[in-house]
Amino acid sequence: QKEVEQNSGPLSVPEGAIASLNCTYSDRGSQSFFWYRQYSGKSPELIMFIYSNGDKEDGRFTAQLNKASQYVSLLIRDSQPSDSATYLCAVTSLAGGTSYGKLTFGQGTILTVHP
Amino acid sequence: GAGVSQSPSNKVTEKGKDVELRCDPISGHTALYWYRQSLGQGLEFLIYFQGNSAPDKSGLPSDRFSAERTGGSVSTLTIQRTQQEDSAVYLCASSLGGTNSPLHFGNGTRLTVT
Repeated sequence: QKEVEQNSGPLSVPEGAIASLNCTYSDRGSQSFFWYRQYSGKSPELIMFIYSNGDKEDGRFTAQLNKASQYVSLLIRDSQPSDSATYLCAVTSLAGGTSYGKLTFGQGTILTVHP
Repeated sequence: GAGVSQSPSNKVTEKGKDVELRCDPISGHTALYWYRQSLGQGLEFLIYFQGNSAPDKSGLPSDRFSAERTGGSVSTLTIQRTQQEDSAVYLCASSLGGTNSPLHFGNGTRLTVT
């Protein structure tokens, strides 16, 4: 079982719709959860992070975390063609009893927003 | 600088040659990470630095790979006797450290081994 799993997609949604991206993780001790966006040929850029169960909203983006189900999602409202990219879920777990949080990435979900 | 700086942006080398990739993190960021991303793949963790020490080298794929960090700042990833399977984008990221600190990525070095 992979440590962080995402559906590779592609996920295709029409402009203006809600895009829902999902991620599951295997380490129940995971502490912090991040969503990165990566445009083709570019490096990942941070969109959101969430640490506590529940929802966290930032503009058109909402991150949802359910630690009991080991599940984190990202909702993008009013999707725009410029949102078309690969979305990477990343999870931090304490490594070897240290205070260092090793960030493990999923394979990413390709999102295409069509006009 | 304002962001994480990596050099060179592109490197083409012949199989068997050694290469050095450089990363200059955001000022004040104590944690530094190297990842590798092959075409169409996710990010593969290589090594983590806290200050000048590397408490986690578990992702280095072979003993041909090594990395160092000096002065708690610049880091160099060295690949000896490069192989074609080393071709990838090598990404450096830095953070303030700790489990809740997000990583900030550089633009990467695209390595092509011919």
